[in-house]
Amino acid sequence: AQSVTQLDSHVSVSEGTPVLLRCNYSSSYSPSLFWYVQHPNKGLQLLLKYTSAATLVKGINGFEAEFKKSETSFHLTKPSAHMSDAAEYFCVVSRRDDKIIFGKGTRLHILP
Amino acid sequence: EAEVAQSPRYKITEKSQAVAFWCDPISGHATLYWYRQILGQGPELLVQFQDESVVDDSQLPKDRFSAERLKGVDSTLKIQPAELGDSAMYLCASSSLGGATYEQYFGPGTRLTVT
Repeated sequence: AQSVTQLDSHVSVSEGTPVLLRCNYSSSYSPSLFWYVQHPNKGLQLLLKYTSAATLVKGINGFEAEFKKSETSFHLTKPSAHMSDAAEYFCVVSRRDDKIIFGKGTRLHILP
Repeated sequence: EAEVAQSPRYKITEKSQAVAFWCDPISGHATLYWYRQILGQGPELLVQFQDESVVDDSQLPKDRFSAERLKGVDSTLKIQPAELGDSAMYLCASSSLGGATYEQYFGPGTRLTVT
């Protein structure tokens, strides 16, 4: 069985400082991993995905994530936070022939 | 830009009533998903269609929930009878193909409140 754990339910950073949203996964086989963002009253949008190619994945809006198999992690980072980054972020794990599992989400707050 | 359409956006219903949600995926997308998102939690997959066939409905409460995608295009999710615990956001998503590596495109959701 596979699972995904987002280690922080809320993260607060000041505008212009780095962002780190943590995600750990459990999967018996090589998974596909995704980060989605959900802005208030808007649909979920894909930020980036890992599908067994390069371990450092670059996404939209300056976000990137690194797949670390030894640590079973897929943390999301951004060098400099912007006010528009305030949203809910979901880490997702999926594997062919298995379920698609969303994490519980991390709400990112940006302080002025 | 093509989008997934859902209606209604908001629905208030009394418990024991029937309620239905509609989803129109991006044109040409063979795979359609229905999710339920309870406030403060991540989306939970209810049912996955590949064309008109159900691929996975293991998390669908089949005693009260039903879903169909008769012509392999748009889809309807029904709840009968609705219960207070069904209050949630119901999300529809589509992807060009099923499988682990394909991006899902999400609609804006239907927020259901059961009173």
